[in-house]
Amino acid sequence: AQSVTQPDIHITVSEGASLELRCNYSYGATPYLFWYVQSPGQGLQLLLKYFSGDTLVQGIKGFEAEFKRSQSSFNLRKPSVHWSDAAEYFCAVGSGNTPLVFGKGTRLSVIA
Amino acid sequence: SQTIHQWPATLVQPVGSPLSLECTVEGTSNPNLYWYRQAAGRGLQLLFYSVGIGQISSEVPQNLSASRPQDRQFILSSKKLLLSDSGFYLCAWSVGTVNQPQHFGDGTRLSIL
Repeated sequence: AQSVTQPDIHITVSEGASLELRCNYSYGATPYLFWYVQSPGQGLQLLLKYFSGDTLVQGIKGFEAEFKRSQSSFNLRKPSVHWSDAAEYFCAVGSGNTPLVFGKGTRLSVIA
Repeated sequence: SQTIHQWPATLVQPVGSPLSLECTVEGTSNPNLYWYRQAAGRGLQLLFYSVGIGQISSEVPQNLSASRPQDRQFILSSKKLLLSDSGFYLCAWSVGTVNQPQHFGDGTRLSIL
């Protein structure tokens, strides 16, 4: 069965600094990969997705993620973080005929 | 465009009372529908999903149940709530196979007293 690991429970970055959130997955074949963002008290919003092709995918709000098959990773990046990016971020993997499996999330705090 | 509605947004219920949370999707046909629970400080736990009317898959045994009486309606129920049922409940939909991206509602905050 597939699994997703987000090693960082909580990350704090300064506004304007770059950001990288880590995601590792376990699955035998090439999975579908997703990043979601959740603001407090709200549902999850899809930031970006990877199905195939170019391993660097662009998403909304200035985010991008890179699929690295050799490392079984799909890390989320943003070159310059804004205070409004403070939220919970979830990585998810989809494969075969089973629903998405979500990581436990990384909480991002942004300081001035 | 597609939209998803969940209600109520907030609910406070006593232990042992029944529960009914409703989720409806507009703008798409034959969606896959999902119920998740998110406990404080924890990730998403898939409770139920449905790929069609009357088809419910249960992921975690518990005192909750789900029903899909119409194509775009998904209901989460309980006959007797437990304290451990407190949490943030999210409904989501997708189309095609269940490994496709899901789109979430705004959630229901359920507090059990």
